[in-house]
Amino acid sequence: ETGVTQTPRHLVMGMTNKKSLKCEQHLGHNAMYWYKQSAKKPLELMFVYSLEERVENNSVPSRFSPECPNSSHLFLHLHTLQPEDSALYLCASSQGLGEKLFFGSGTQLSVL
Amino acid sequence: DQQVKQNSPSLSVQEGRISILNCDYTNSMFDYFLWYKKYPAEGPTFLISISSIKDKNEDGRFTVFLNKSAKHLSLHIVPSQPGDSAVYFCAASANYGGSQGNLIFGKGTKLSVKP
Repeated sequence: ETGVTQTPRHLVMGMTNKKSLKCEQHLGHNAMYWYKQSAKKPLELMFVYSLEERVENNSVPSRFSPECPNSSHLFLHLHTLQPEDSALYLCASSQGLGEKLFFGSGTQLSVL
Repeated sequence: DQQVKQNSPSLSVQEGRISILNCDYTNSMFDYFLWYKKYPAEGPTFLISISSIKDKNEDGRFTVFLNKSAKHLSLHIVPSQPGDSAVYFCAASANYGGSQGNLIFGKGTKLSVKP
């Protein structure tokens, strides 16, 4: 148990669906992140929030839309995804920006 | 261009022997380095870190060595155990004018420890 909980663990969706990934951290951290892990690629940083404000958006397509309503919760809203978006989506948190990350278990997403 | 490189996608080691995982980086501004371990269907978990002011950090069976001039770090696991079988990610971040940048990860090395 890392203190970062992600739901759902697995998700299969069609290209026209809308779904959301949820992340909750119980560590009292101030920064939260979304990462994407595709096969044989490094972990790719997607979004960074610090104190509920987005501080980085690494050229992620608009079909991915993050939301951070408070410092403990982070969402990733998905719509009209493509099959190449199939990957493991990992949420992480840290006490401050650039500090040691604590990861959730991830959501394994398959887009059909 | 990858700033953090793990050139060996996989490594196989006999139980009880030493495992050495390597990582190279290109950004001379990196000053904080970490190793993460990942089991299938789980998120990465922090293993050990090192600051650029040190060249070695040890925690039990795990030791990280940093060679700044070569821009190289390595993780030594001794003795290796079957439960160490996992994917190991190297990560680094830089301090830009007092602000620590985001962690940059390598592609990972899959370690298999055979009984």
